[in-house]
Amino acid sequence: TQLLEQSPQFLSIQEGENLTVYCNSSSVFSSLQWYRQEPGEGPVLLVTVVTGGEVKKLKRLTFQFGDARKDSSLHITAAQPGDTGLYLCAGAGGTGGGADGLTFGKGTHLIIQP
Amino acid sequence: DAGITQSPRHKVTETGTPVTLRCHQTENHRYMYWYRQDPGHGLRLIHYSYGVKDTDKGEVSDGYSVSRSKTEDFLLTLESATSSQTSVYFCAISGTLWEGTGELFFGEGSRLTVL
Repeated sequence: TQLLEQSPQFLSIQEGENLTVYCNSSSVFSSLQWYRQEPGEGPVLLVTVVTGGEVKKLKRLTFQFGDARKDSSLHITAAQPGDTGLYLCAGAGGTGGGADGLTFGKGTHLIIQP
Repeated sequence: DAGITQSPRHKVTETGTPVTLRCHQTENHRYMYWYRQDPGHGLRLIHYSYGVKDTDKGEVSDGYSVSRSKTEDFLLTLESATSSQTSVYFCAISGTLWEGTGELFFGEGSRLTVL
């Protein structure tokens, strides 16, 4: 069974601060996604990283895939209240095409206080 | 946004009664999934489908069955609901898994309470 560990589980910071969320595994993934979920809604895809060492930027969000494709990080610069939500990382299997879905971490609950 | 609708969005039922949740997509995607989301457990895969009448079990399939008679519809059935099946259920679709990216598009969820 492939497991993804996210840290921290909960994070509450002031508007304008920077933060980093981590997603770690002992397994190799063919790709890794980050989702954001708001209360009462389904997760929404933010980004997919595929290549080891890959860095992607989405406005103030920077995503990195580890060189060995076992871990990833999400860095938010100058956090804003609109960034509040549950952030989930999810990995696609390294073999077999991944038709059996993604493995999800338990998520990081992020609160940005004005 | 991907065209996915789940019904019902909210349901309260009693232990021992059957329950069916429906997921309908307008994207003609091949892959469909049912997940449940619980505090402390995150999202866990119940069943998935890789085509019409082609389904398989996920991590937490006990007590659940699924059917897919048409590309657009994926039904999740609890034959005899138990309190442990109180959860938020999410349907997801993907058209790209065999290309290796594994990106999912989720419905808005169905909140089920079993008394």
